[in-house]
Amino acid sequence: SQQGEEDPQALSIQEGENATMNCSYKTSINNLQWYRQNSGRGLVHLILIRSNEREKHSGRLRVTLDTSKKSSSLLITASRAADTASYFCATVKTGKLIFGQGTTLQVKP
Amino acid sequence: ETGVTQTPRHLVMGMTNKKSLKCEQHLGHNAMYWYKQSAKKPLELMFVYNFKEQTENNSVPSRFSPECPNSSHLFLHLHTLQPEDSALYLCASSQSLIQGLYSNQPQHFGDGTRLSIL
Repeated sequence: SQQGEEDPQALSIQEGENATMNCSYKTSINNLQWYRQNSGRGLVHLILIRSNEREKHSGRLRVTLDTSKKSSSLLITASRAADTASYFCATVKTGKLIFGQGTTLQVKP
Repeated sequence: ETGVTQTPRHLVMGMTNKKSLKCEQHLGHNAMYWYKQSAKKPLELMFVYNFKEQTENNSVPSRFSPECPNSSHLFLHLHTLQPEDSALYLCASSQSLIQGLYSNQPQHFGDGTRLSIL
């Protein structure tokens, strides 16, 4: 069953702009993870944020977590064409990692 | 290079064929996973192995048969598949599960096998 749902499903921006993707989930969590998938490739782990954290940074990535709203956001600043990919949030449910359907991001040069 | 290698990258087979997908990880992990990724559907967990023992079979049809001879290798044996089985099959690995349950270790994915059933 689907635990995380990303929004929007698709996003198209110009290079240099910021991209924001949101993830909502249903049950309480210990942590939430974000992954990236380039076309024709496997998923790559980007960042993990624990339930007692509100914000986490990694390079141009900023992840926030609001457990009261059961939501998380992934912000990519100063986007590049190489950021074009699908982005997935994932949470743990009954000892399994459950992925959302993802946001497809296109960054135009 | 993710440390997880899947072969073949592409596979076309008829419904009566038997084939196998292979996954190998060089990360020293003890947990390995098979996922199915279909268009416009979330990633579906199929099987989980921890220290070579199967800990999860997510109601997968018996025409998919996993095998884990050691912590570094994982196979998915395919036979009598259906057209709806056409998808990208992804293998992943992580540090070992705790009491058979996944909690927070990042999963490392291979690039998948694109399977097409004629």
